[in-house]
Parts: sequence; C-alpha cells; structure tokens
Amino acid sequence: DAKTTQPNSMESNEEEPVHLPCNHSTISGTDYIHWYRQLPSQGPEYVIHGLTSNVNNRMASLAIAEDRKSSTLILHRATLRDAAVYYCILPYQFNAGGTSYGKLTFGQGTILTVHP
Amino acid sequence: KAGVTQTPRYLIKTRGQQVTLSCSPISGHRSVSWYQQTPGQGLQFLFEYFSETQRNKGNFPGRFSGRQFSNSRSEMNVSTLELGDSALYLCASSAGLADSYEQYFGPGTRLTVT
Repeated sequence: DAKTTQPNSMESNEEEPVHLPCNHSTISGTDYIHWYRQLPSQGPEYVIHGLTSNVNNRMASLAIAEDRKSSTLILHRATLRDAAVYYCILPYQFNAGGTSYGKLTFGQGTILTVHP
Repeated sequence: KAGVTQTPRYLIKTRGQQVTLSCSPISGHRSVSWYQQTPGQGLQFLFEYFSETQRNKGNFPGRFSGRQFSNSRSEMNVSTLELGDSALYLCASSAGLADSYEQYFGPGTRLTVT
C-alpha cells in the first residue's frame, strides 16, 4: 500500500473545528483516500473516503489537495464522542468486473483528544 | 440495516487448543475481511473473502484459516493456539464495489490464550 504519514496526536476543545492532516506523497492516480476512526474498546469505524474532489458527509469533510499528495479530515464541531484514533489509509484495492477487493493497512494513526 | 455481528465477543482458550470465530456481514455485503489487533503490532490484515473465495491473504502462518458460506457469513479458525494469538479479532464487511470499497467493522472477538 502507498504510505501515509499522520501526526501522532492532536488536541482540540469541544465544539471547535478539528483539522486532521495526512500526507501521502507516493499516492497513485487510482488510489482512493479513506479515513477510519477507532473509539476506545470498539472496532474501527468508516468515516469518509474520496478520490480527487472534496467530500462531505454527516460525520466529516475530506479536503484533498490539488496534487493529491495530502488530505485533511475536518470535524466541524468536535464533541467528546469524537475522541478516538483516526487512521488515514490508501487501500490496496483490486477492481475487477465491477467488484473490488483488497485490504486496509492501518498505521499508528492520530490520537485525537477532545477537552470539555 | 443491522451492522456486522461477531460471536462470541469474548473467549478464553488454552495453548494448543483451536478456536473458531464467526462473523455475519451487513445484509447484501459479499466481501468479508478479518483483522487482528494487538497492542504491539496494531491492526493487521488476515484475509478477505468474496463470494466464498479467498481473494487476498495477509502475512500470517497457516494456523490461521477462514471460510465464507453462500450467505456471506464467515468463520475464521486458529489451530494450535499460542500465547501470542491473544488479540482482538475484527471482522469487516464491504459491498465490494469498485468505487465503494469502504469497510464496516464489527465489535470484535477478544481472544485470550492462557
């Protein structure tokens, strides 16, 4: 898998926006950018993914640099429930006949602490 | 839609025994992946099944095996358990579509080997 680099930890205050950066300078043209998070004592949770354009969903926004060598996950108003480890992943993905398979390679991620 | 379910949630086994873990994917999902999470190694990919076929395999010994049934439910088996197999085993399902590869994880099975 193409490698990603994230800060080890970040801190935020409740109800403030959080910008979580990710560098992926070796990304290829077909690599999707995925973000997952893992809350304490739970399995990872899918957050968002994108290819070239910025993406929004109910959980977060994903801003992708024009050269695609970096991206930023944006939590618009952090809550205590957002305290988690956030993983930026470029899945190793095969596409064949309309279906897709592969794997996710998890790094150390960014530990987000949210202060009340 | 119900999420990914895994059974059992907790398991204690003795070295040398074998164990079978079960995973039911989200309805309609045909891809099931398994991951191992330990404090030392983090989250590591074990294998992926799609339509009852193993399509991808991680770097684990042959003691780790799996299978998928026609209803997409999956099982993984670990034989001759070692202390180092103590871990959280996570199952994830995906629709397996080319432009929608996001994976949805279950709560995991916590395996303790004594």
